[in-house]
Amino acid sequence: NAGVTQTPKFQVLKTGQSMTLQCAQDMNHEYMSWYRQDPGMGLRLIHYSVGAGITDQGEVPNGYNVSRSTTEDFPLRLLSAAPSQTSVYFCASSLAQGGGYTFGSGTRLTVV
Amino acid sequence: QQQVKQSPQSLIVQKGGISIINCAYENTAFDYFPWYQQFPGKGPALLIAIRPDVSEKKEGRFTISFNKSAKQFSLHIMDSQPGDSATYFCAASNGGNNRKLIWGLGTSLAVNP
Repeated sequence: NAGVTQTPKFQVLKTGQSMTLQCAQDMNHEYMSWYRQDPGMGLRLIHYSVGAGITDQGEVPNGYNVSRSTTEDFPLRLLSAAPSQTSVYFCASSLAQGGGYTFGSGTRLTVV
Repeated sequence: QQQVKQSPQSLIVQKGGISIINCAYENTAFDYFPWYQQFPGKGPALLIAIRPDVSEKKEGRFTISFNKSAKQFSLHIMDSQPGDSATYFCAASNGGNNRKLIWGLGTSLAVNP
């Protein structure tokens, strides 16, 4: 019963580098989403997916790409890291019919 | 524009007291109102949720009160314990095929022993 697994837990990037944050869930959830959490700004939606092959933008999508080739995986790609992307990133998943979101334990990213 | 306004930003309560966190929303199409609890270093976890067809929902020491006409809902934590110290987020969504949650900015609760 792994739930939502995020890797890595910590990452330091240099400005301009690219990387992929991994997210996998084993609950057969249709919905998956990526959030960033910054002090005083709550949780902001970056991208989300309602099923394999379907993705859409959230409120802060610039600088990030996603894909959903399988039900289980929803990776988040940073194209060219910037200091403004320093944040804690959470992946979450849920069933289409409800029941709340299950969050991963987060990735703390620092861009220097 | 913040569609879900949460208050207070921080709250200190003595052990055994009642913690009350309030949220107000603007979109009358919202039909699902969850509360999430987040401990340091962890992701948020669903605590309790309510739909607008009921005015109150209770689970253990946690109660959601919902006022549809005022477009407000609140979380009450009875007999607050130090283990309840966490950040609490309210949220809302309007169902549909995407079910995006609109989040409040969070309340940091500290329960003193």
